[in-house]
Amino acid sequence: AQRVTQPEKLLSVFKGAPVELKCNYSYSGSPELFWYVQYSRQRLQLLLRHISRESIKGFTADLNKGETSFHLKKPFAQEEDSAMYYCALQTGANNLFFGTGTRLTVIP
Amino acid sequence: DSGVTQTPKHLITATGQRVTLRCSPRSGDLSVYWYQQSLDQGLQFLIQYYNGEERAKGNILERFSAQQFPDLHSELNLSSLELGDSALYFCASSPQGARDSYEQYFGPGTRLTVT
Repeated sequence: AQRVTQPEKLLSVFKGAPVELKCNYSYSGSPELFWYVQYSRQRLQLLLRHISRESIKGFTADLNKGETSFHLKKPFAQEEDSAMYYCALQTGANNLFFGTGTRLTVIP
Repeated sequence: DSGVTQTPKHLITATGQRVTLRCSPRSGDLSVYWYQQSLDQGLQFLIQYYNGEERAKGNILERFSAQQFPDLHSELNLSSLELGDSALYFCASSPQGARDSYEQYFGPGTRLTVT
């Protein structure tokens, strides 16, 4: 069965510091992974997907199949990055299985 | 604004009751997904519909059911409600239904409180 684990419920970093939000997955098929973000009073929205290999708002995430991880990283955190971040695994029917989320707080 | 709408925003009801949550997908999106977000379980996939047909089921209880209508809006029916059903219920939509890595667009959610 598929599973997504985000070990940190809460993460606080200072502005300008590097940030890494951890995500590990378990899935027997070929994984497609996403990071979704929910800013305060806004809807859940896609941040980035691994197949795009893109950097969005300075964030990147690399799929490491050996370690079954998809950690989200940003070299210099900004205050506007404070939000709830969800790692999600897509199965064949385009369903998303989410981790429990990490609340990131960037301290000014 | 993602273009996905959900009604009502808030719902307060008693145990044993039945409620219906409604979702209108983005224009042109054929797939609708329902998720439940509770404090202890996080965001859980419940069920997916694609162009009126059930496509996939997740952790959906037998007391819950859903359908997608010809105009593509969807309803999630929750019956014999229990205190533990109190949660935020999200709807999402995407253009296609399978084997495509499409972004899902989420609605604002319906907050259900069972007393």
